[in-house]
Amino acid sequence: AQKVTQAQTEISVVEKEDVTLDCVYETRDTTYYLFWYKQPPSGELVFLIRRNSFDEQNEISGRYSWNFQKSTSSFNFTITASQVVDSAVYFCALISSGSARQLTFGSGTQLTVLP
Amino acid sequence: GAVVSQHPSRVICKSGTSVKIECRSLDFQATTMFWYRQFPKKSLMLMATSNEGSKATYEQGVEKDKFLINHASLTLSTLTVTSAHPEDSSFYICSATRTGNVVYGYTFGSGTRLTVV
Repeated sequence: AQKVTQAQTEISVVEKEDVTLDCVYETRDTTYYLFWYKQPPSGELVFLIRRNSFDEQNEISGRYSWNFQKSTSSFNFTITASQVVDSAVYFCALISSGSARQLTFGSGTQLTVLP
Repeated sequence: GAVVSQHPSRVICKSGTSVKIECRSLDFQATTMFWYRQFPKKSLMLMATSNEGSKATYEQGVEKDKFLINHASLTLSTLTVTSAHPEDSSFYICSATRTGNVVYGYTFGSGTRLTVV
């Protein structure tokens, strides 16, 4: 069985603040992939990043950065200098080698960036 | 890049009628497509896994006769909500993955907001 936990249901920040979205996962498989998706109010899911279990290197893409730590089973997402356009629901997701290629989503974090 | 087209984006139908939602992979072949349902302010709930040329695999609690899934080709899967009722109103979203390799990731359609009146 696999599980993804996003403990933060809602977060509000003021524009230009940094914000970190937490993601903790559970899986018994040694081979797995972690994802982050953004869902703006329009509804579509926007892919942000994919990370495999053998690559713990942190990644930075513009204002976005991801911290993958296998020791704590966490894959946290930080937005630096947040902007109003970052307001959306963010989902962390997991797929493991034993999951029949099914993505398991966390419950999502609603991020609101206030001007 | 991989593109999945989902149609319609919004649909309003009368109670008792059926609605068909299409999910097409435009530039890649997808042996497997997934259908999700999302309630307001909730996460995505997997409804079924659709495999080309075979019957869909439904998740526990999903009515097979209510939500008919057909995956007749490598680029098209359809979800038909039969005899729709107001409680079927929801956001439905499909995703597709390239043949046999999860490393390519999953591409999602833009979703369909179904309202049953």
